[in-house]
Amino acid sequence: QITLKESGPTLVNPTQTLTLTCTFSGFSLSTNPMGVGWIRQPPGKALEWLALIYWDDDKRYRPSLKSRLTITKDTPKNQVVLTMTNMDPVDTATYFCARRDGALLTYDSWGPGTPVTVSS
Amino acid sequence: QSVLTQPPSVSAAPGQKVTISCSGSTSNIGNYYVSWYQQVPGAAPKLLIYENDKRPPGIPDRFSGSKSGTSATLGITGLQTGDEADYYCGAWDRSLSAEVFGSGTKVTVL
Repeated sequence: QITLKESGPTLVNPTQTLTLTCTFSGFSLSTNPMGVGWIRQPPGKALEWLALIYWDDDKRYRPSLKSRLTITKDTPKNQVVLTMTNMDPVDTATYFCARRDGALLTYDSWGPGTPVTVSS
Repeated sequence: QSVLTQPPSVSAAPGQKVTISCSGSTSNIGNYYVSWYQQVPGAAPKLLIYENDKRPPGIPDRFSGSKSGTSATLGITGLQTGDEADYYCGAWDRSLSAEVFGSGTKVTVL
């Protein structure tokens, strides 16, 4: 059974750095062609893809946010970490992590999401 | 503003059929697989269709997907009240080197 769960702060001050952790089980990020991605959803709005890391450490970022995002993996711990610098109220959203099947090019399992509010 | 275009909403009576379109370009749908996700209010998205027309285990055959050129379509037959949700299409975009999602379509069962 594949499970993913996001963790991190629910409230962040503007200009601060957000660090989110995705802890997963049921698969390994050392297995080709697996990956883990991050997707967010502002309140009442559509899904917005942020970043992706593959088993071989290949990384991709949303172009408009690339300068603010960093994605890393800790394979033995089954964790993927996303950091986003210089947070702004427009970054208020629910953040999801999801397993990426690199062969099928789909996100086949998702975490429940974690809400993040950016406010002073 | 989403790269993939979907209608904001569709509706039909129980037992009827709805279709949801997803329009893109050669940079995404035209050259990559399309996935469809269902999101019930307050929950995480759930994979419904992958590789344009394949269903994961446990997804009923009332849900179907197709692709033609730079557009894709999700069909839901035998509509049930439990199908009320937001539906998103998604695909890789080679120009952006990024995943793109549709704007989402709300399905209402009348």
